[in-house]
Amino acid sequence: QKEVEQNSGPLSVPEGAIASLNCTYSDRGSQSFFWYRQYSGKSPELIMFIYSNGDKEDGRFTAQLNKASQYVSLLIRDSQPSDSATYLCAAKMGAINMIYNQGGKLIFGQGTELSVKP
Amino acid sequence: EAGVVQSPRYKIIEKKQPVAFWCNPISGHNTLYWYLQNLGQGPELLIRYENEEAVDDSQLPKDRFSAERLKGVDSTLKIQPAELGDSAVYLCASSPGTGGPAFFGQGTRLTVV
Repeated sequence: QKEVEQNSGPLSVPEGAIASLNCTYSDRGSQSFFWYRQYSGKSPELIMFIYSNGDKEDGRFTAQLNKASQYVSLLIRDSQPSDSATYLCAAKMGAINMIYNQGGKLIFGQGTELSVKP
Repeated sequence: EAGVVQSPRYKIIEKKQPVAFWCNPISGHNTLYWYLQNLGQGPELLIRYENEEAVDDSQLPKDRFSAERLKGVDSTLKIQPAELGDSAVYLCASSPGTGGPAFFGQGTRLTVV
């Protein structure tokens, strides 16, 4: 089982719709979670991070975290063609793992390709 | 504020040759990561530094890969000798601390022929 899992997609949504991207993680020691956007040929770009259960909103983006279910999601409202990219979910272990030198270890999923059709 | 800087951006070498990548993290960031990314895959961690100490190098193929981060600032990743399967994008990222987000450099695209 991979430590961070995402559906590889592609996920296709029409312009203006809500895109929903999902991620699960296996290590309950994970404390912080990140969403990155990666355009083809470019490096990952941080778009959201979340540490606490619940929702966190930033513009058209909402990150959701459910630690009991070990589930993280990213919602993109009013999707635009410029949102077409691969979205990477990442989990970072917290201080509880420091004695094993795992604290700060940042693990990525395989990414979900999103295509927003005009 | 300057971001993470990597060089070179592109490198083409023949198999069995050595190659080195350089990374300068964001000023003040103690944590530095080297990742490898194959096409269509997520970044895979090679090594993580906390200041000058390599605290996680379990995924680094130590028979041919080496890394250093002298003085806890910039870092070099080396492959010697390179194999065809090493062709990938090598990404460097830095983070201000163990809990904070990581920021990536532009990456180095390595092609081994």
